[in-house]
Amino acid sequence: EVQLLESGGGLVQPGGSLRLSCGASGFTFSNYAMTWVRQAPGKGLEWVSAISGRGDSTYYAESVRGRFTISRENSKNTVYLQMNSLRDDDTAVYHCATGPHVRAIDHWGQGTLVTVSS
Amino acid sequence: QSVLTQSPSASGTPGQRVTISCSGSNSNIGSNYVYWYQRLPGTAPKLLIYMNNHRASGVPDRFSGSKSGTSASLAISGLRSEDETDYCCAAWDDSLSGWVFGGGTKLTVL
Repeated sequence: EVQLLESGGGLVQPGGSLRLSCGASGFTFSNYAMTWVRQAPGKGLEWVSAISGRGDSTYYAESVRGRFTISRENSKNTVYLQMNSLRDDDTAVYHCATGPHVRAIDHWGQGTLVTVSS
Repeated sequence: QSVLTQSPSASGTPGQRVTISCSGSNSNIGSNYVYWYQRLPGTAPKLLIYMNNHRASGVPDRFSGSKSGTSASLAISGLRSEDETDYCCAAWDDSLSGWVFGGGTKLTVL
């Protein structure tokens, strides 16, 4: 069974940084792309970033490009999202998700809440 | 505002067939596969339909997906009370090099 477990969320001040982690199990991690999707309070889902299975291709939404960095450690079955220069509108539940390539999303984690507030 | 357009709500009575639509453009639905997710409160989104019309493992055959041009639809037949929740469409967008989502449709079983 595919399982994705996010961690690292919390309360951070505007301009601060946070690193999210997502541990995966139940599949061959290095063969799968990983994606971060967020949902702000009262809003719909918003794609944030994606990374290929080998980690050699990364993709970012315009709203986070230059501030967020996605990476992965295949030896640890973990994907990360380093978030810098956080803004109020980054407040959201952040889900990690996976699929056989970046253009597929088959499974999702429950998410971790990031609150940016002073 | 979501890139893919969904009606905010839909409804039907038990046993009925309801359709939820999702409208996009040439750069997303028009040239890439559509995915449908079911969203139960407080839980991770669950894949229902992948690659336009393929049911995910364990999804009842009451659920079906279709795509035509820049629009897609999710049909639920034999409506049941447990189907009452939110449904969301998604597709890769070639112009954005990323995913776009619909705003979600809340289905009510009357």
